[in-house]
Amino acid sequence: DAGVIQSPRHEVTEMGQEVTLRCKPISGHNSLFWYRQTMMRGLELLIYFNNNVPIDDSGMPEDRFSAKMPNASFSTLKIQPSEPRDSAVYFCASRAGRAGQGAFGPGTRLTVT
Amino acid sequence: QKEVEQNSGPLSVPEGAIASLNCTYSDRVSQSFFWYRQYSGKSPELIMSIYSNGDKEDGRFTAQLNKASQYVSLLIRDSQPSDSATYLCAVNYRGYQKVTFGTGTKLQVIP
Repeated sequence: DAGVIQSPRHEVTEMGQEVTLRCKPISGHNSLFWYRQTMMRGLELLIYFNNNVPIDDSGMPEDRFSAKMPNASFSTLKIQPSEPRDSAVYFCASRAGRAGQGAFGPGTRLTVT
Repeated sequence: QKEVEQNSGPLSVPEGAIASLNCTYSDRVSQSFFWYRQYSGKSPELIMSIYSNGDKEDGRFTAQLNKASQYVSLLIRDSQPSDSATYLCAVNYRGYQKVTFGTGTKLQVIP
């Protein structure tokens, strides 16, 4: 089991550029979560999918953020245009079933200058 | 009021002592409770889950849940320097799949 895979691990970009973060959940897990972690706000849930369908995107900060899950093995989180305040570590997590804990990926550290 | 609250710390304990980490939550219809450990620069990893009132023990870790007081704690016995990390409390509210995290307590175990 390779665990949750995220890419890239680090991303440095300039303000105004488009950023795309990628996630491959654990095979067989039917729920996928995108989190953002900062020192000030801690770990925040942005959006989660169940069986590839977005269930709750109330944590997405604004329209600049969008997420897709075209199939059970791939999801993207896109920020367009990016701003310095988007700098954070973005985690993807996946889980089997409707409740319980999930496994986190290694995260993508995003720096927007 | 935040849904899940933790003291940010740092909590410093000497090696071999018991570390006590506390968490309060704001809603009575919560269902499941979790403790995650996060080393600096790493992702959170689940160390304990608890679903009913009382104590649950796993090795050196004990989770305690009191739903009436809306309180969950984590005790680490015989603390080791390798336990130095940030501990995140998380709550899964009934009817919702998502888990809400506290901001974490930083634990430092002094050799």
